[in-house]
Amino acid sequence: SQQGEEDPQALSIQEGENATMNCSYKTSINNLQWYRQNSGRGLVHLILIRSNEREKHSGRLRVTLDTSKKSSSLLITASRAADTASYFCATAMEYGNKLVFGAGTILRVKS
Amino acid sequence: GAVVSQHPSRVICKSGTSVKIECRSLDFQATTMFWYRQFPKQSLMLMATSNEGSKATYEQGVEKDKFLINHASLTLSTLTVTSAHPEDSSFYICSARDYTSGGYNEQFFGPGTRLTVL
Repeated sequence: SQQGEEDPQALSIQEGENATMNCSYKTSINNLQWYRQNSGRGLVHLILIRSNEREKHSGRLRVTLDTSKKSSSLLITASRAADTASYFCATAMEYGNKLVFGAGTILRVKS
Repeated sequence: GAVVSQHPSRVICKSGTSVKIECRSLDFQATTMFWYRQFPKQSLMLMATSNEGSKATYEQGVEKDKFLINHASLTLSTLTVTSAHPEDSSFYICSARDYTSGGYNEQFFGPGTRLTVL
């Protein structure tokens, strides 16, 4: 079953702009992860944020986590056409436990 | 980095036949592998958790006799779709967890297998 929802479902921006995607979940979590999936391909792990962390950076990616609101956001700065993909959040309730994926956001970056 | 492969990448079969999909961890040992199913433009749905040397744990609503999982070694798990029907057509993705890397529940995903049942 899906853990939560992501919004927007689809996002179209111009190259160079920032893209923000949000993820909400329903239960307490141990960590939350963001993945990217190019069309018809497997998933690429982007970043993991633990429940006791509030913000994490990796290159052009910035992830925030608000456990009181049970939500997370992924910010991609200075987007590129190559960032065009689907982005999924996934939550783990316990260390080593299975991941439950959100519905995903389809990002299109126009050059 | 940790690499997971899947074979085949695409398979087309006739209704009623069985199809086996392999998932391999190429440069690490994976005591646990996961099998997901993804319909077009939808998210990944976990089907089952595969543990090396023991029976798989299936998610609610997934028929264990329909989707046979075998995890006979630390680097290989197989998913067999038995008596496939057109509604089984989907994108099947496996993932593996590398405990030795110190990763915090990070899973490494295979490239997926596109199954089409005619």
